[in-house]
Amino acid sequence: GQNIDQPTEMTATEGAIVQINCTYQTSGFNGLFWYQQHAGEAPTFLSYNVLDGLEEKGRFSSFLSRSKGYSYLLLKELQMKDSASYLCAVMDSNYQLIWGAGTKLIIKP
Amino acid sequence: NAGVTQTPKFRVLKTGQSMTLLCAQDMNHEYMYWYRQDPGMGLRLIHYSVGEGTTAKGEVPDGYNVSRLKKQNFLLGLESAAPSQTSVYFCASSQGEGGQPQHFGDGTRLSIL
Repeated sequence: GQNIDQPTEMTATEGAIVQINCTYQTSGFNGLFWYQQHAGEAPTFLSYNVLDGLEEKGRFSSFLSRSKGYSYLLLKELQMKDSASYLCAVMDSNYQLIWGAGTKLIIKP
Repeated sequence: NAGVTQTPKFRVLKTGQSMTLLCAQDMNHEYMYWYRQDPGMGLRLIHYSVGEGTTAKGEVPDGYNVSRLKKQNFLLGLESAAPSQTSVYFCASSQGEGGQPQHFGDGTRLSIL
């Protein structure tokens, strides 16, 4: 079966750094996406990785290791507005997205 | 900049009733998707379309039907609503496959009593 695992909830302090991990087992691999979803709102696209390595985009970075079936999203200089759920999704061999249940990130002052 | 628009935003149905959820996108995207999101679970694909006039089943298609008569619209129908279909429904669109991100509507919160 196909499986995406992420921690259910994490807590971090404003101004700090947090790393959200995602491990996956899927039928094929055509890339990994990270989305942000604020409570009661739509998911919004953050990043896409298809090759191994780190992709940096402002305060957010995403890392991929295809051999380990592992990715992480790194958020720096945390702000209160970063309180949200972060969804990891893998595109399988049929080009369909398999979604993790999401990690709820709580930022404390 | 409308993007992806879903109507209605909220709806309460009784078991056995039918309804249609409408999704419209103004980005000229070929691909459109319907997902449901339930607590503690990842988004699950119900049906999708790779172009006008095409539809295909996703992971959880039972109890739902779809139509894509126009490129910009993707309709999701519930023929006979059941309490298990209580969920938040999201429509999304994308330019294509591969690295093209999906753009989501604001969701429809549906309760079946």
